[in-house]
Amino acid sequence: DSGVTQTPKHLITATGQRVTLRCSPRSGDLSVYWYQQSLDQGLQFLIQYYNGEERAKGNILERFSAQQFPDLHSELNLSSLELGDSALYFCASSAKTGSRHEQFFGPGTRLTVL
Amino acid sequence: DAKTTQPNSMESNEEEPVHLPCNHSTISGTDYIHWYRQLPSQGPEYVIHGLTSNVNNRMASLAIAEDRKSSTLILHRATLRDAAVYYCILSVIQGAQKLVFGQGTRLTINP
Repeated sequence: DSGVTQTPKHLITATGQRVTLRCSPRSGDLSVYWYQQSLDQGLQFLIQYYNGEERAKGNILERFSAQQFPDLHSELNLSSLELGDSALYFCASSAKTGSRHEQFFGPGTRLTVL
Repeated sequence: DAKTTQPNSMESNEEEPVHLPCNHSTISGTDYIHWYRQLPSQGPEYVIHGLTSNVNNRMASLAIAEDRKSSTLILHRATLRDAAVYYCILSVIQGAQKLVFGQGTRLTINP
């Protein structure tokens, strides 16, 4: 158990809909990261927040947005969903930011868009 | 993003050592070398990381070449639970840290 929690575990929805994925980092961790894992693209970095502020952006679509709240939990919002958005979404956290800090990953949310 | 090259798959026997290679010839002087693994149906799990010197922890050892253009993850006594995809990642020293995952090495452990 990494200490990172993600809800829900599974999500099934239809195209065009909007969903919110939630992540609670390890106690004391200030940095939160979101990754997408699909069969054809592998694991891809989406976005990072550090202590409430956006710190880095990866290949995140404009239909996707995220935020980190004062209690440090984070939410990833996916809107106008398409079939291709079906994937595993992982949240990770680290104590601070910077390349020498390991990231701890949650169990993921499996999103299925029908 | 600096690239790493790993074999697609490797196979080993239970209770034997496993050496997982990674080439990173374009590494810069301040890039950290990270290893993560992903067990079936789980999120990635941190294994070890280092900058220049060899590193040991309870899970594994990391041997870094003197020129830092390659590294080897060493599992001293593989168990069936070590069957996973192992990712070698270069992490750049900047304010942000994003892990750029490649295809990794799928490690199979034979009983």
